[in-house]
Amino acid sequence: EAGVVQSPRYKIIEKKQPVAFWCNPISGHNTLYWYRQNLGQGPELLIRYENEEAVDDSQLPKDRFSAERLKGVDSTLKIQPAELGDSAVYLCASSKGDNEQFFGPGTRLTVL
Amino acid sequence: GESVGLHLPTLSVQEGDNSIINCAYSNSASDYFIWYKQESGKGPQFIIDIRSNMDKRQGQRVTVLLNKTVKHLSLQIAATQPGDSAVYFCAENRSGGSNYKLTFGKGTLLTVNP
Repeated sequence: EAGVVQSPRYKIIEKKQPVAFWCNPISGHNTLYWYRQNLGQGPELLIRYENEEAVDDSQLPKDRFSAERLKGVDSTLKIQPAELGDSAVYLCASSKGDNEQFFGPGTRLTVL
Repeated sequence: GESVGLHLPTLSVQEGDNSIINCAYSNSASDYFIWYKQESGKGPQFIIDIRSNMDKRQGQRVTVLLNKTVKHLSLQIAATQPGDSAVYFCAENRSGGSNYKLTFGKGTLLTVNP
């Protein structure tokens, strides 16, 4: 069974540019999470979806970050415009309801 | 500040030795804890979990101990192997027992020397 797929794996952009990350969860997993992981730190939840509904986006900086999961499967996370402090690894995870979360490999973003 | 953290940022052990990784938490309402392993360039991988109604849980070569009195969690790895080299995170759940509201600690880098 394929795991959580994320793309791109690496992205380098200049500040003020937009960037988007894509996630394909494990088949059958209705819950999807986006996390941000700064260097040397644990992941921090940005947003959680139950099917297509964002049920917890309290940690998402809404002035520049947006996310969508239109059909309740794939999801995209966007930053516009990117700032230097957004450099991090963006992790996607999925689960069946509230069960074990499976993480993707992440997208490493570098903002110059 | 963070309520979940690790006492030691790095741990170096010899192959074959046992490893102990520690974690402290401050929220007595947390009732579910998970240890994750993260290898370089990969996402965190579930190792073992424990609920607050238990004080010990064993898996394959791993044991998690929970001391609710002092709000301390530890991960013991028996006969540590080079493949165990990774960053280990503890995570706590603060939402009454379901898995989705995890708060991760800072991580401990485990290095296994041959």
